[in-house]
Amino acid sequence: DTGVSQDPRHKITKRGQNVTFRCDPISEHNRLYWYRQTLGQGPEFLTYFQNEAQLEKSRLLSDRFSAERPKGSFSTLEIQRTEQGDSAMYLCASSLEKTGQYFGPGTRLTVL
Amino acid sequence: AQRVTQPEKLLSVFKGAPVELKCNYSYSGSPELFWYVQYSRQRLQLLLRHISRESIKGFTADLNKGETSFHLKKPFAQEEDSAMYYCALTPNTGGFKTIFGAGTRLFVKA
Repeated sequence: DTGVSQDPRHKITKRGQNVTFRCDPISEHNRLYWYRQTLGQGPEFLTYFQNEAQLEKSRLLSDRFSAERPKGSFSTLEIQRTEQGDSAMYLCASSLEKTGQYFGPGTRLTVL
Repeated sequence: AQRVTQPEKLLSVFKGAPVELKCNYSYSGSPELFWYVQYSRQRLQLLLRHISRESIKGFTADLNKGETSFHLKKPFAQEEDSAMYYCALTPNTGGFKTIFGAGTRLFVKA
């Protein structure tokens, strides 16, 4: 296990298209987080999973965003009907309890 | 409202000089505080957490509940410390949302 992985690393899409990102956490980690990061800002919390349960979701997350973590392993983040404002780096992190989070390399989304 | 403030976007120091990266937080409960670091072309990684009370790469951070601060300090900066540093807060109870500051870019000059 080489750490948290994310796929794809880069995604360019046209406005209005749907995109899906995948995150594979460290295998024994039960906690999984999704963040969005734009230039000059720190990571912004999107949602949190404990095992397969989505326990918290940011109020900033519109209905176009949905995340899943089937079987408490990998997670997917889908954005429907993308907008130019969705362009950002999407980060995934995992952890055991509150030990500090291990981050993936991120998926950079560009919406044209 | 929960908030993490890092007042300096950029901090530039000479090699061997002391460095302090400031972090102030606003939170009604008892939070856990962390420092994360991102070196050039690398992923974000945990540097230290307040409850560990440890020194990592010569860095320490003390939680001051009275001043609601968690400043990161190192007595003698090294060129390899040049990176982006983020302060982060996680609630101890009542939620899982982690809040990050906007980050401070540390540049250590030779």
